[in-house]
Amino acid sequence: DSGVTQTPKHLITATGQRVTLRCSPRSGDLSVYWYQQSLDQGLQFLIQYYNGEERAKGNILERFSAQQFPDLHSELNLSSLELGDSALYFCASSVDGIGYTFGSGTRLTVV
Amino acid sequence: TQLLEQSPQFLSIQEGENLTVYCNSSSVFSSLQWYRQEPGEGPVLLVTVVTGGEVKKLKRLTFQFGDARKDSSLHITAAQPGDTGLYLCAGVLGAQKLVFGQGTRLTINP
Repeated sequence: DSGVTQTPKHLITATGQRVTLRCSPRSGDLSVYWYQQSLDQGLQFLIQYYNGEERAKGNILERFSAQQFPDLHSELNLSSLELGDSALYFCASSVDGIGYTFGSGTRLTVV
Repeated sequence: TQLLEQSPQFLSIQEGENLTVYCNSSSVFSSLQWYRQEPGEGPVLLVTVVTGGEVKKLKRLTFQFGDARKDSSLHITAAQPGDTGLYLCAGVLGAQKLVFGQGTRLTINP
C-alpha cells in the first residue's frame, strides 16, 4: 500500500457518459497530480493541485476537469467520454514536489 | 514528440547479463527520477538524482545523472528475473511538474 488511494479500480462506461475518479493523497502531502497512461502515449501529465489550488496544467482536455477539496482529496471528472479516453488514470501525491507516490490507478474502459 | 527519450523501448536478456537503459533530453531538469512499474500498479520511485554527474547505487542498480542535467542512465548488473518490469525515467520541470519518458520494458529470462 503506497498510501495513495484511488477509487474505483476499474470503470466501464459508454461513450458520451461522465465519470468521476477519486484520489486520497498520502497523509501530509499537499500536492496531488493526475496522469493518464495509455499504451501508445506513456504517462501524460494532466493537472496538479496544491492545497486546494490549481498549480500546473498539462495536456488536459477541456472535457476533463479536476478539483482538490479542503480535506485534500481530489477528483478528476471526465465528460462526453470517447473511446480514445480509455486508459489508466493515476493520481500521485508529494510533500516536496520531488518524490512522488503513485496510487494503483483507475482503469477506465469506454465502450 | 517526447520531451524525454528512453532507449531501448524493449529489452529482453538472459539472467546474469548486464544492461543499460538510457534517458535523453534536450531540456535541463532540476532533478531526474527513475521509477519501476509492475502490471496493474502505479510507478514506484527508485531514485532521485539532483546534481549533474551524480551517481547513485541501489544494490545492483546504478543510476547516473549527466553533467549537463539533460540525460541519465540506469545500469543493472547481473540481472535477475525479479528485475522484470517497466522502467520509467522522469524529469522535474518548473512548477514541480514531472514529465515521463515512454519507458523501457525489461524482461529477464531465467
